[in-house]
Amino acid sequence: NAGVTQTPKFRILKIGQSMTLQCTQDMNHNYMYWYRQDPGMGLKLIYYSVGAGITDKGEVPNGYNVSRSTTEDFPLRLELAAPSQTSVYFCASSYLRGAGQETQYFGPGTRLLVL
Amino acid sequence: GQQLNQSPQSMFIQEGEDVSMNCTSSSIFNTWLWYKQDPGEGPVLLIALYKAGELTSNGRLTAQFGITRKDSFLNISASIPSDVGIYFCAGQLDTGNQFYFGTGTSLTVIP
Repeated sequence: NAGVTQTPKFRILKIGQSMTLQCTQDMNHNYMYWYRQDPGMGLKLIYYSVGAGITDKGEVPNGYNVSRSTTEDFPLRLELAAPSQTSVYFCASSYLRGAGQETQYFGPGTRLLVL
Repeated sequence: GQQLNQSPQSMFIQEGEDVSMNCTSSSIFNTWLWYKQDPGEGPVLLIALYKAGELTSNGRLTAQFGITRKDSFLNISASIPSDVGIYFCAGQLDTGNQFYFGTGTSLTVIP
């Protein structure tokens, strides 16, 4: 298993440009998540999905969009990049070990710089 | 959102020493996860806890799910240089699918 993979690893955007951060998992996990991590901070949840066709907002969804057309893929879209979106973005997926027992695994991250 | 207070913020210790860190919240959680993050990498899961009072080990690491369900602790015994990194706690409420993360404990091990 490759686990959770993310592309690209690094990207520089100009203000107002758009891009899609890709995330794929091959573990057949139902749940997938997008987080952002600012320097010296913990992770903040942007969006999450509990299955194909179902998405929901996290703590910091403004300026982002997601879709979940398959179990494996959970792309994150930035429509109009702003300097405040400079961050490291992590995708994660999880499964339920048992009732209420969720375990979450992370990808390697995408570093985004908006200038 | 939920606030997880993780302490200490940073630690500088000698190789071979034991390390303790903790995470507290104002809400009751049903799951606590502990991660380690190396520079430029994603967080790697170390230990998962699902029951109040649960004590789980992973090699030299031991974590506990607090009895009140509002806190968790991570201990590292006999630290080595490769323990260097940032350790994060994450908790999940009874209601909802979201995990909330602490701000991390930065660990430096001096050989």
